Amino acid sequence: SQQGEEDPQALSIQEGENATMNCSYKTSINNLQWYRQNSGRGLVHLILIRSNEREKHSGRLRVTLDTSKKSSSLLITASRAADTASYFCAQGGSEKLVFGKGTKLTVNP
Amino acid sequence: GAGVSQSPRYKVAKRGQDVALRCDPISGHVSLFWYQQALGQGPEFLTYFQNEAQLDKSGLPSDRFFAERPEGSVSTLKIQRTQQEDSAVYLCASSSTYLFTGGQSLNTDTQYFGPGTRLTVL
Repeated sequence: SQQGEEDPQALSIQEGENATMNCSYKTSINNLQWYRQNSGRGLVHLILIRSNEREKHSGRLRVTLDTSKKSSSLLITASRAADTASYFCAQGGSEKLVFGKGTKLTVNP
Repeated sequence: GAGVSQSPRYKVAKRGQDVALRCDPISGHVSLFWYQQALGQGPEFLTYFQNEAQLDKSGLPSDRFFAERPEGSVSTLKIQRTQQEDSAVYLCASSSTYLFTGGQSLNTDTQYFGPGTRLTVL
């Protein structure tokens, strides 16, 4: 069963705007990962944040982690049409990943 | 190869037919995972191999599902007597993570996913 919950379920923005997606989880974690999925490229790993980290950056991506609230957020800055995809958070890694249902992001040109 | 590959990319089966889905992981990756993704949902774990050993098959939905990785590289997911509810995208992933005995992980590493096989059962 899926343990993560992304919020919102769907998000539509204009190109150039920032997009923020949130993820809540139920059990303690060693790390949390974010993945992107679109029809062209399948499921692609974006960023991994470990439980002892609070913030991590990768290009236009910024991930935060609040283990006290069991939540994480993914910020995409200066969005592009190519960012249109579904975004999933996932906990675990060495044995299995447990995914949320995802946020469907649409970036309008 | 450069990434995880899966074949076939699309499979249409009649209800009751057996199917076999293949996964070629990234060369040298010890761990291999299978996930099932229903339409509009996130992937759900099916089973996990470390080399040729199937360490966790708790996600397999029924005994009609069987996975193997006999030589520790290529893996096959077999579904017998397919049902309509088996229609989904089946994703394979590999990673270089491995476990010490006793359950301590050396490194919690990224899983790299293949493009998936879309199975449609009519």
